[in-house]
Amino acid sequence: DAKTTQPPSMDCAEGRAANLPCNHSTISGNEYVYWYRQIHSQGPQYIIHGLKNNETNEMASLIITEDRKSSTLILPHATLRDTAVYYCIVRSPLMIYNQGGKLIFGQGTELSVKP
Amino acid sequence: EAQVTQNPRYLITVTGKKLTVTCSQNMNHEYMSWYRQDPGLGLRQIYYSMNVEVTDKGDVPEGYKVSRKEKRNFPLILESPSPNQTSLYFCASSFSGLRSYEQYFGPGTRLTVT
Repeated sequence: DAKTTQPPSMDCAEGRAANLPCNHSTISGNEYVYWYRQIHSQGPQYIIHGLKNNETNEMASLIITEDRKSSTLILPHATLRDTAVYYCIVRSPLMIYNQGGKLIFGQGTELSVKP
Repeated sequence: EAQVTQNPRYLITVTGKKLTVTCSQNMNHEYMSWYRQDPGLGLRQIYYSMNVEVTDKGDVPEGYKVSRKEKRNFPLILESPSPNQTSLYFCASSFSGLRSYEQYFGPGTRLTVT
């Protein structure tokens, strides 16, 4: 699985958009970008995933650059409840290629949403 | 409600006393997995199961056992717990194949071994 690089921490004002970057310059053609978050010692929570097109769901938007070497997770209107560690993960969707579906959580970005 | 449940949520035990942490999911997922989370080391996979009666080691399987006799349950067994197994444990489940993008995690079990 490709390695990812994220800033260790970010701040965001409540109500503003939070833009969390991720670098994955060694991503291969069959690997997707996934985002999870972990709110203080709770179980990680899936947010969104994508291959090469921009994606949006009820939680967030995912922007992937054309060369797929980086991406940005956007929380359009951050709330205090969005304070969490956000993990960018790159892997093949097929479990046979990633040791039984293992998710490799790096250090992530600790997002603090402030009033 | 779709969920992964773990029991107990908190456990303090002594070295060598066998314990089991249960994990159950109600989503008919084929895939289940156990992770442990330690400060500075992140989440590491202990064991996983692709389906009933199919289990395999993850990155840190030493000192743990698992079984998958039913699709919904995937218990984690510590036959002889030691202090270095003090950790926060998470169970996860998902569909397999191309529907595996969303893994659901349980609330965690905080284990202390003295």
